[in-house]
Amino acid sequence: AQSVTQPDIHITVSEGASLELRCNYSYGATPYLFWYVQSPGQGLQLLLKYFSGDTLVQGIKGFEAEFKRSQSSFNLRKPSVHWSDAAEYFCAVGAEGRRALTFGSGTRLQVQP
Amino acid sequence: NAGVTQTPKFRVLKTGQSMTLLCAQDMNHEYMYWYRQDPGMGLRLIHYSVGEGTTAKGEVPDGYNVSRLKKQNFLLGLESAAPSQTSVYFCASKGTEETQYFGPGTRLLVL
Repeated sequence: AQSVTQPDIHITVSEGASLELRCNYSYGATPYLFWYVQSPGQGLQLLLKYFSGDTLVQGIKGFEAEFKRSQSSFNLRKPSVHWSDAAEYFCAVGAEGRRALTFGSGTRLQVQP
Repeated sequence: NAGVTQTPKFRVLKTGQSMTLLCAQDMNHEYMYWYRQDPGMGLRLIHYSVGEGTTAKGEVPDGYNVSRLKKQNFLLGLESAAPSQTSVYFCASKGTEETQYFGPGTRLLVL
């Protein structure tokens, strides 16, 4: 069975600092990997995804993520965090033909001024 | 292009009452999903559909029923609501490359 682990429940960073959110997955085949962001009271918005090809993927809002097969990881990064980035971030894994995504439990990001 | 919409946005029920949550998508997607979100547990799949007239159970289906009479709509029903069903419910549809698109959510409180 596939699974996703987000080890950090809550992270606080200062505005302008760099950010890395961790995601580890367990899946036998080549996965499809996703990062979604959820602002308070809102639905989930797709930030970026890895499908195939270049293992460094760029997303919206200045985010990027790197797929590392050897480490079963798909960490999300941003070089300079803005106050508007405060939200909850979810990593998810899927695969061709599977019926649904499997989500991690989320990381809540707080941004200090 | 509205994407995925959900109604209602918020509802309060008493234990034992019934209700239906409506999800609509205008992207002509075959696959649709219902998830519930609870603090610290991420999103858990309740039921899903791979096309009009089909439904299947997900990870936490007990206490819920679904119907997909039209391709664009996916209904989630609670026949006899329980306090354990207090949650935020999200509908999603799936496009290409397994990418799911989510609605804004329905916040349900069962007293």
